[in-house]
Amino acid sequence: KAGVTQTPRYLIKTRGQQVTLSCSPISGHRSVSWYQQTPGQGLQFLFEYFSETQRNKGNFPGRFSGRQFSNSRSEMNVSTLELGDSALYLCASSLNNWGQNNSPLHFGNGTRLTVT
Amino acid sequence: DAKTTQPTSMDCAEGRAANLPCNHSTISGNEYVYWYRQIHSQGPQYIIHGLKNNETNEMASLIITEDRKSSTLILPHATLRDTAVYYCIVRVVRARDDKIIFGKGTRLHILP
Repeated sequence: KAGVTQTPRYLIKTRGQQVTLSCSPISGHRSVSWYQQTPGQGLQFLFEYFSETQRNKGNFPGRFSGRQFSNSRSEMNVSTLELGDSALYLCASSLNNWGQNNSPLHFGNGTRLTVT
Repeated sequence: DAKTTQPTSMDCAEGRAANLPCNHSTISGNEYVYWYRQIHSQGPQYIIHGLKNNETNEMASLIITEDRKSSTLILPHATLRDTAVYYCIVRVVRARDDKIIFGKGTRLHILP
């Protein structure tokens, strides 16, 4: 079974631009969540989608948004990029509501975004 | 505020058991503890998870204290390939509040 796939693997953008990252979950998984990882802040939760609905959101500004499609694939968008948005963006999928039942997260290898 | 705490780094001799602790003092109810590890430039890899009882799989064992406020991940016979950052993750769910909590991770060095 294929794992979580994230595209692109690397991305370089300039300040003020916007970017869209893509995530394909493991087949059959309905929950997709996104995380930002930086050396200073570590892993931070961005948002979570289940059946095309945002179920949970972390403490990030409105420039960060996402969506999930009917096939469970997800995208996240960052508008008006800032230098501090440079990070590894990780997507994870799970069968259903991980954390409260027997359904672990499975991570992709991430998209490394560099903002110059 | 709810949080998990892990030691910043640990060393372990190759072939010995590596014991990695995590404190998750606000966990309660039916909230699971998950352990992941991350090798540089890759996404976190799932290791094991548990609720109340101790768990074991082909990679590791997980010991959860009776009050569930802390846990220990055990790699029984560490190898050089186990060098990674290990994360303890919990999801704390309360009425109108759903927090996903990561520790800062423990950088485990396996010494030859």
